[in-house]
Amino acid sequence: QSALTQPASVSGSPGQSITMSCTGTSSDIGSHFFVSWYQQHPGKPPKLIIYDVNNRASGVSTRFSGSKSGNTASLTISGLQAEDEADYYCTSRVDSATSVAVAGGTKLTVL
Amino acid sequence: EVQLVQSGSEVKKPGESLRISCKGAGYDFGTYWISWVRQLPGKGLEWMGRFDPRDSSSNYSPSFEGHVNISGDRSINTAYLHWSRLRASDTAIYYCARTAHNGDYYRWFDAWGQGTLVTVSA
Repeated sequence: QSALTQPASVSGSPGQSITMSCTGTSSDIGSHFFVSWYQQHPGKPPKLIIYDVNNRASGVSTRFSGSKSGNTASLTISGLQAEDEADYYCTSRVDSATSVAVAGGTKLTVL
Repeated sequence: EVQLVQSGSEVKKPGESLRISCKGAGYDFGTYWISWVRQLPGKGLEWMGRFDPRDSSSNYSPSFEGHVNISGDRSINTAYLHWSRLRASDTAIYYCARTAHNGDYYRWFDAWGQGTLVTVSA
């Protein structure tokens, strides 16, 4: 189902910055700014962290930021903390459809 | 406070029917869609479809259309996910999510239910 691609895993040490990508096509990420990112800790529901490419959801740390270039969106986490270890998912509106594209997720490990 | 409260875990046999629910509170239920999202054991999120309380319409991911039915009742701020014939492969956690939209298109999921574990086993 997923038309969006994320790396399966990324890792970083505490204090470092990491960036994870979400690659789509000109029919989804490439054609608008409705990209959002979610954080999911084990056993918990997902939590919205970024919406409309680069807007932080309420209460989300300024260490989280989003961007987009062409068909690829990115999530950057600066000053990595142990609590950032989680799965991260990007989603996008799909043009010409009422569907939602959801990527397969990236597991972030804080070393 | 915005809340989505889902019905409890279910254990069913293959071929049985099931309806799970998601009740919204703390906001105007008609202003947002309710989406259903599946998470297979140890796997990622999959968008199944959504319910629009404004006109009680539903849309489905092609991967799920024909196998589930999404509905709701705006008068009691509740959305439903229904199977008429469960399969073992439906074993998963199902989340409902409040869905912001611009009238026609999805924008984001800004509140989530706690999840309903559905186990289908003979």
